[in-house]
Amino acid sequence: DQQVKQNSPSLSVQEGRISILNCDYTNSMFDYFLWYKKYPAEGPTFLISISSIKDKNEDGRFTVFLNKSAKHLSLHIVPSQPGDSAVYFCAVTTDSWGKLQFGAGTQVVVTP
Amino acid sequence: KAGVTQTPRYLIKTRGQQVTLSCSPISGHRSVSWYQQTPGQGLQFLFEYFSETQRNKGNFPGRFSGRQFSNSRSEMNVSTLELGDSALYLCASSLGQGMRGYTFGSGTRLTVV
Repeated sequence: DQQVKQNSPSLSVQEGRISILNCDYTNSMFDYFLWYKKYPAEGPTFLISISSIKDKNEDGRFTVFLNKSAKHLSLHIVPSQPGDSAVYFCAVTTDSWGKLQFGAGTQVVVTP
Repeated sequence: KAGVTQTPRYLIKTRGQQVTLSCSPISGHRSVSWYQQTPGQGLQFLFEYFSETQRNKGNFPGRFSGRQFSNSRSEMNVSTLELGDSALYLCASSLGQGMRGYTFGSGTRLTVV
């Protein structure tokens, strides 16, 4: 069963505008949430994370929002840049090590 | 410092054969996790090792196994390869405390023919 869903397989956004990526999960026991970025032929690169005790975390152009009641998290990228074009995965976990459950990914294309 | 190193980068094997993939974690990292990425199933957790002990295991058949050595390097083995085992196999390492520090390698692309 798919416990983590990224319902948008792709997103196209203009350079300088905001990219909003969404992720839904089903298990309320998940308590740590992460976003990764992946280029072809490379491993995922960690972007930003948030624990269940917070509802927002910022790091430069990246902000992650967590809505626990809706079991929903989102990643905002402002402003979007051409180098942000990649596949973005959300990942969730219930423990402090080991097992991450990933969404299917969203392909982001930033156009000039 | 050097990142997570996976070898080989590419591999072609025949159905029924076995394969061993290697992962060298970042120096000082004691936790190594393995993931399989396929177009149909996405990124799926295989297993995690910490200090030579398997701490966590995903939902894969027993043909998939792993181990970790005293220097934290890890290997995963797939026996009796099937066409469906064709995938990108990714290794990630961390200090083993909390989830913030997982760093992935570039993966091994396995093709089973």
